[in-house]
Amino acid sequence: GAGVSQSPSNKVTEKGKDVELRCDPISGHTALYWYRQRLGQGLEFLIYFQGNSAPDKSGLPSDRFSAERTGESVSTLTIQRTQQEDSAVYLCASSSERVETQYFGPGTRLLVL
Amino acid sequence: KQEVTQIPAALSVPEGENLVLNCSFTDSAIYNLQWFRQDPGKGLTSLLLIQSSQREQTSGRLNASLDKSSGRSTLYIAASQPGDSATYLCAAYGSSNTGKLIFGQGTTLQVKP
Repeated sequence: GAGVSQSPSNKVTEKGKDVELRCDPISGHTALYWYRQRLGQGLEFLIYFQGNSAPDKSGLPSDRFSAERTGESVSTLTIQRTQQEDSAVYLCASSSERVETQYFGPGTRLLVL
Repeated sequence: KQEVTQIPAALSVPEGENLVLNCSFTDSAIYNLQWFRQDPGKGLTSLLLIQSSQREQTSGRLNASLDKSSGRSTLYIAASQPGDSATYLCAAYGSSNTGKLIFGQGTTLQVKP
């Protein structure tokens, strides 16, 4: 596609449930990133993929968070046993190389009740 | 640890004014720096990327400068328009080894007709 796409656009879940968020990067982009933006706060880095490997996972807030990327394309961010503090907009971005322009998707708004 | 700060947090100007948004970072050893625009409820739109070897970049009415020695970047908007109303974010790449972007809190701009 022409840009980064994410699904679902909105997700409401109950505390304790697992959720999966999907990101489709721009075709051919080798680098993929996940960020989180809580209400009224700045963007926080979560994880960076180069190809299918994740050389920087330093932003994952706990072991309930995991992510994978397959085929140097689609990535899935999984949050297990969701907590209310996980409520945020989760943004995915991709770039042709790791320090080149990052292009962001529209985000997934997650609300944990 | 790299920290990025944006001042002011909010700015309101009449249409037609030229304005400057400020961004400062604590570690002068940044790699590239990117300016984004975020509209309410939407993802981020990349405006300009300044590479570490550059001092400025221009796109239309926008000009971004980078002074690594003083730890500052500015985004200059000429002849502001109501459509420029948005939150402007600057983000720094900590090094060339990771795609991790460190974001400022943003400046919310309102341009009044």
